[in-house]
Amino acid sequence: SQTIHQWPATLVQPVGSPLSLECTVEGTSNPNLYWYRQAAGRGLQLLFYSVGIGQISSEVPQNLSASRPQDRQFILSSKKLLLSDSGFYLCAWSYNSGYEQYFGPGTRLTVT
Amino acid sequence: QKEVEQNSGPLSVPEGAIASLNCTYSDRGSQSFFWYRQYSGKSPELIMFIYSNGDKEDGRFTAQLNKASQYVSLLIRDSQPSDSATYLCAVSGGGADGLTFGKGTHLIIQP
Repeated sequence: SQTIHQWPATLVQPVGSPLSLECTVEGTSNPNLYWYRQAAGRGLQLLFYSVGIGQISSEVPQNLSASRPQDRQFILSSKKLLLSDSGFYLCAWSYNSGYEQYFGPGTRLTVT
Repeated sequence: QKEVEQNSGPLSVPEGAIASLNCTYSDRGSQSFFWYRQYSGKSPELIMFIYSNGDKEDGRFTAQLNKASQYVSLLIRDSQPSDSATYLCAVSGGGADGLTFGKGTHLIIQP
């Protein structure tokens, strides 16, 4: 069966500090991968998606970036965090475009 | 701009009754439709997906799709307190950018 991992589970970072969140998927190959952010009381905002190694598409211009160095690894990064980057960051995978997505446990980021 | 609209609630339903959650979408080319359940502080969990007009049943859950009206619904029969959560409707046009989510309906099942 497939499993998706995210770490860390929680993170408190000062404004201006760097960020690296990691997501890995087990039990499948060549998945589509997604990063979402969910701000308090708001909906899911798609940040990045990837259909293969090294292929990243950005949905929202911002100070975040994503990379996919391996087939089942997806990384979200920032060089300098802003207060507005606080939120619940969710990684998801799907078998292919248009199919259901399965979410990881999420990382709750607080920027102070 | 693809949009998915849901009533934010809260929707309060007595235990044992049927909970009815509704969703409308703007993109007439949408092909796949999903319902997720999200408990407070947790990640969304897939409950149902439906691709064709009509009803699809899975246990206590029934998803209904009407593409002509651009309307999707989720019925929960014999509602239990453990069903209290936020329910997210999601829609896909089949593109690589994945799903467009509504903001969710907060459901409260009263014992």
